Amino acid sequence: DAKTTQPPSMDCAEGRAANLPCNHSTISGNEYVYWYRQIHSQGPQYIIHGLKNNETNEMASLIITEDRKSSTLILPHATLRDTAVYYCIVRVLTFNDMRFGAGTRLTVKP
Amino acid sequence: DVKVTQSSRYLVKRTGEKVFLECVQDMDHENMFWYRQDPGLGLRLIYFSYDVKMKEKGDIPEGYSVSREKKERFSLILESASTNQTSMYLCASSAPTMTGYEQYFGPGTRLTVT
Repeated sequence: DAKTTQPPSMDCAEGRAANLPCNHSTISGNEYVYWYRQIHSQGPQYIIHGLKNNETNEMASLIITEDRKSSTLILPHATLRDTAVYYCIVRVLTFNDMRFGAGTRLTVKP
Repeated sequence: DVKVTQSSRYLVKRTGEKVFLECVQDMDHENMFWYRQDPGLGLRLIYFSYDVKMKEKGDIPEGYSVSREKKERFSLILESASTNQTSMYLCASSAPTMTGYEQYFGPGTRLTVT
């Protein structure tokens, strides 16, 4: 699997957009980009995933660069409840187990 | 909503005890997983199952076994608990969608082995 690199921590003001970057420069053509988050003392929660097109759902948007070497998860209007560790994972579609690295600890501040 | 439940949120056991961690999902998912999560090591796959009575080893199966007698239930067994098995244990289930898999996780069991 392609390795991902994320900043260890980020802050965001409440109500502003949170943009979380992920570098996956060794991604191969059949690997998807997945995002999960883990709020303190809870199990991880699926957010979104995509292959090469930008994706949007009720939780977030995923922007993947044209060369697919990096992506950005966007929370359009961050709230205090979005404070969590966010994990970017690259995985082949046919393998549905997930392995998380250290992720980015996002703190949303009032 | 998919619900994955785990039998305990917190568990304290002694070295050498046999430990059972239970996981139940209510969405008829075929795939179920057991992970452990440790600071600095991320999430690591212990065992998974694609069907009843079927199991596959993950990355770190040593010291663990699993049982899946019913589709909705996946149990993790620590045959003889050791202090290095102190960890957060997460169960998950998944099913295929049009564009891939989404994993649904339980709340986790924080196990302390003394």
